[in-house]
Amino acid sequence: AQSVTQLDSQVPVFEEAPVELRCNYSSSVSVYLFWYVQYPNQGLQLLLKYLSGSTLVESINGFEAEFNKSQTSFHLRKPSVHISDTAEYFCAVSSTGTASKLTFGTGTRLQVTL
Amino acid sequence: DTGVSQNPRHKITKRGQNVTFRCDPISEHNRLYWYRQTLGQGPEFLTYFQNEAQLEKSRLLSDRFSAERPKGSFSTLEIQRTEQGDSAMYLCASSLASGPVGYTFGSGTRLTVV
Repeated sequence: AQSVTQLDSQVPVFEEAPVELRCNYSSSVSVYLFWYVQYPNQGLQLLLKYLSGSTLVESINGFEAEFNKSQTSFHLRKPSVHISDTAEYFCAVSSTGTASKLTFGTGTRLQVTL
Repeated sequence: DTGVSQNPRHKITKRGQNVTFRCDPISEHNRLYWYRQTLGQGPEFLTYFQNEAQLEKSRLLSDRFSAERPKGSFSTLEIQRTEQGDSAMYLCASSLASGPVGYTFGSGTRLTVV
């Protein structure tokens, strides 16, 4: 079984400031890792994913996450946030074996203000 | 391709009533997943189908819950004798490849049991 911990329930940040959303996972098997974003009253949208290869993965809108196996972490970063980045961010994990379902963290609310 | 469609978007029901939700996946996707998201929590896996076969069910899916995917196309999730604890967002997702690497989520159905 897997579990995901997102320690920060809310992260307030000013526009154009950098941000890091933390994600730690626990698993006894190899995993795939994901970040999803959820805007109000909408479903989840995939932001980025780590499947294999380079441990640094990037999204098209400037976010990046680094898979750190020794630290069992997959923190999400952005060097300069925008108001439009305000949303709920979920870290998720699945085993590479069954790869049939996701286990999500409890989410981090990113609130960007002027 | 209009994405994953869920209906209704909102449902308010009285405790003890039965409700049914519908999910229309992306047409070529052979896998369909149901998740439940309660306030302040990440989505939790309920069940998934490959074509018309229901391959896995979470222990969260009590006897009052039933899901079907006739002919491997749309899916329905029925909750019988609803309880206040059933109030949540019910999310559907579909994928072409096996596993969550290619998930697309719908916008969800928000259920409120009064």
